[in-house]
Amino acid sequence: SQTIHQWPATLVQPVGSPLSLECTVEGTSNPNLYWYRQAAGRGLQLLFYSVGIGQISSEVPQNLSASRPQDRQFILSSKKLLLSDSGFYLCAWSVGRNYGYTFGSGTRLTVV
Amino acid sequence: RKEVEQDPGPFNVPEGATVAFNCTYSNSASQSFFWYRQDCRKEPKLLMSVYSSGNEDGRFTAQLNRASQYISLLIRDSKLSDSATYLCVVTLSGGYQKVTFGTGTKLQVIP
Repeated sequence: SQTIHQWPATLVQPVGSPLSLECTVEGTSNPNLYWYRQAAGRGLQLLFYSVGIGQISSEVPQNLSASRPQDRQFILSSKKLLLSDSGFYLCAWSVGRNYGYTFGSGTRLTVV
Repeated sequence: RKEVEQDPGPFNVPEGATVAFNCTYSNSASQSFFWYRQDCRKEPKLLMSVYSSGNEDGRFTAQLNRASQYISLLIRDSKLSDSATYLCVVTLSGGYQKVTFGTGTKLQVIP
């Protein structure tokens, strides 16, 4: 069966520090991969999506970046965190538009 | 107008009650529709897809009204464990799966 792993579960980082969140998927090949952010009391905002290795599309310009070095690995990074980067970061995968998403358990990031 | 709109609630209902949520979408080209459930401080989980003819899964019934551009979720015989936020999800056709999440409707089932 397919599983998605995301870590760490929680993270407290100072402003200006770097960030690296990792997500891996097992049990499927060539998934569509996504990074979402959910700010407190708000909806899910799509940050990046990837349809294949090295293929990254950004939905919202910001100080975050994403990479997909392997088929089932998706990484979210930042060189310098801002206070506004705080939120609940969710990785998700999908095999197609009609099948919905499966989300990882999320990383709760607090920038202080 | 927002692409996907939901009443944020909260809907406070007694156990055993029937409750319904609606979700409106603005783009008539929207193709696929889903309901997700999100527990507090957890990730969203797919509850059910919404098919054109309507579909049922146990106590849950989902319906789509393309003419009026909304989808609905009906929960019968509410359980305490149904307390959660319910997210409406709409996807557009095209090569890239453009997906828009609603901000969710909070349901609190009270004993």
